[in-house]
Amino acid sequence: GENVEQHPSTLSVQEGDSAVIKCTYSDSASNYFPWYKQELGKGPQLIIDIRSNVGEKKDQRIAVTLNKTAKHFSLHITETQPEDSAVYFCAAREVGSGANSKLTFGKGITLSVRP
Amino acid sequence: DAGVIQSPRHEVTEMGQEVTLRCKPISGHNSLFWYRQTMMRGLELLIYFNNNVPIDDSGMPEDRFSAKMPNASFSTLKIQPSEPRDSAVYFCASRSGARTDTQYFGPGTRLTVL
Repeated sequence: GENVEQHPSTLSVQEGDSAVIKCTYSDSASNYFPWYKQELGKGPQLIIDIRSNVGEKKDQRIAVTLNKTAKHFSLHITETQPEDSAVYFCAAREVGSGANSKLTFGKGITLSVRP
Repeated sequence: DAGVIQSPRHEVTEMGQEVTLRCKPISGHNSLFWYRQTMMRGLELLIYFNNNVPIDDSGMPEDRFSAKMPNASFSTLKIQPSEPRDSAVYFCASRSGARTDTQYFGPGTRLTVL
């Protein structure tokens, strides 16, 4: 099955700086890669996703890049703010028959933005 | 929309007791997922349903765990008997259909087994 790894497990940045979080996956057939943000006491929320037919996607201060050859994808957050502090999970979708596809999540990275 | 609803939000029980966690997916969604989150293992998929039918339960730890989805608006995850190592946060998520990818998570149930 798919194996998704995130590195590092924690990241601390100064407010206003950029943060980059990287994930690797093992199954070259995976074709969908979402990023979820989890705030304290809440469930994960989708913040951005990318499909394997594109290399980059942006949404305001966040962007995701995908390198299919190297089997890694990264989350980029620019102009970080204290409210960006959270746990971020990456995931990869195992290819299945549409409705039977499932996500495999990384273990998460804790991002701390220092005021 | 109220989003995915889970109950209870917190559960404290003693080893050996039966625990039932409940989930109401977003109305109209036909896929439902149960996850367990721990510090050591992260977010693990336990089981998921499409149109109320269990598709993949390979993540269910052992026979003490069971899940049901009697109708499109309700699912339960039961642990019987519970053990201290079952302590975790359990999330339910729903997805609108086969051609969509986004899963919407509930707030989770924090289970503590003493």
